[in-house]
Amino acid sequence: KNEVEQSPQNLTAQEGEFITINCSYSVGISALHWLQQHPGGGIVSLFMLSSGKKKHGRLIATINIQEKHSSLHITASHPRDSAVYICAVHPGNYQLIWGAGTKLIIKP
Amino acid sequence: EPEVTQTPSHQVTQMGQEVILHCVPISNHLYFYWYRQILGQKVEFLVSFYNNEISEKSEIFDDQFSVERPDGSNFTLKIRSTKLEDSAMYFCASSGAGYYGYTFGSGTRLTVV
Repeated sequence: KNEVEQSPQNLTAQEGEFITINCSYSVGISALHWLQQHPGGGIVSLFMLSSGKKKHGRLIATINIQEKHSSLHITASHPRDSAVYICAVHPGNYQLIWGAGTKLIIKP
Repeated sequence: EPEVTQTPSHQVTQMGQEVILHCVPISNHLYFYWYRQILGQKVEFLVSFYNNEISEKSEIFDDQFSVERPDGSNFTLKIRSTKLEDSAMYFCASSGAGYYGYTFGSGTRLTVV
């Protein structure tokens, strides 16, 4: 059983659309990351959350600890947002348990 | 902005050979990690390192693997006798206390032939 599930697996949208990527997890956590992976392979942490909501530019991340669910939203999407977005959780220690990622393609 | 630096970016090695992957974590970070990603699969945790010793390791991190912090700046992953299934992208990461500033290197792509 996967401890971190993401949906959708793939998402294609038009430039300007509002994007939502979802993450559900089955373990107790101390924090959750949203990360971005570009085709070259490099990984960048976008947000780390343990409660509530965070916003950075056009990106918004929310988490509901009781429901074990987090969402990543992108407003006014742009082709440069095309990447794989990954949810990963800290299960009470410093390692990360990773989701499989959502491949996002934004068409001009 | 501070970076985690990994070298080499690509490494090709013969099966059975030893490889050492190099990482320079962010200088004031306390926790160091190795992860791997087999092509087309999820990223997997290998090991975390704190206060000059392994703090956690996964089932993947068997006796073939070892980590070392040989000086104040480098953090290395050694694979003693590589197998074909060790072919993957290996990521180093570092963080401060409380996961502060969790930062990844750009990865080393290891190909075992």
